[in-house]
Amino acid sequence: DSGVTQTPKHLITATGQRVTLRCSPRSGDLSVYWYQQSLDQGLQFLIQYYNGEERAKGNILERFSAQQFPDLHSELNLSSLELGDSALYFCASSPDRVPLEQYFGPGTRLTVT
Amino acid sequence: TQLLEQSPQFLSIQEGENLTVYCNSSSVFSSLQWYRQEPGEGPVLLVTVVTGGEVKKLKRLTFQFGDARKDSSLHITAAQPGDTGLYLCAGEGSNYQLIWGAGTKLIIKP
Repeated sequence: DSGVTQTPKHLITATGQRVTLRCSPRSGDLSVYWYQQSLDQGLQFLIQYYNGEERAKGNILERFSAQQFPDLHSELNLSSLELGDSALYFCASSPDRVPLEQYFGPGTRLTVT
Repeated sequence: TQLLEQSPQFLSIQEGENLTVYCNSSSVFSSLQWYRQEPGEGPVLLVTVVTGGEVKKLKRLTFQFGDARKDSSLHITAAQPGDTGLYLCAGEGSNYQLIWGAGTKLIIKP
């Protein structure tokens, strides 16, 4: 158990809909990262938040957005969903130190039908 | 742009064999990590290497960081079915971000 929690575990929705994925980082970790992983693919970095502020952006679509709240939990919002958005979405957290090591949650499996 | 290339992309071997997977770049990294991911689960950190030439052992797994800190290898001795998974390397780049390789999918057949 990494200490990172994600909800829900599974999500099935229709095209055009909007969903929110939630992540709680490990106790004391200030950074939260979001990744997308399509079937049999590597990890695609989406976005990083540090202590409530956006720190880095990866290949995140304009239809996707995220935020980190004062209690450090984070939400990833996916809107106008398309079939191609079906994937595993992972959240990771890391402490504010180097070397940079990330601890991953169990993921949310999103299926868009 | 910093990139990490992993090879091979896919490896299927019999239990008991040895194997090596590679993680290569033309860029220098301040540290490099290896993660293992099982199907449907999140990646789990196995090891972090920081010093050029560093070798770390984790039971039957041996990790090496290249002298120039541009590449790394993971060697598994006497592979077991429990070693099956996706092995990902990630390098810490100049902007304190992780650069991820695409992974090596390893299958160990009993």
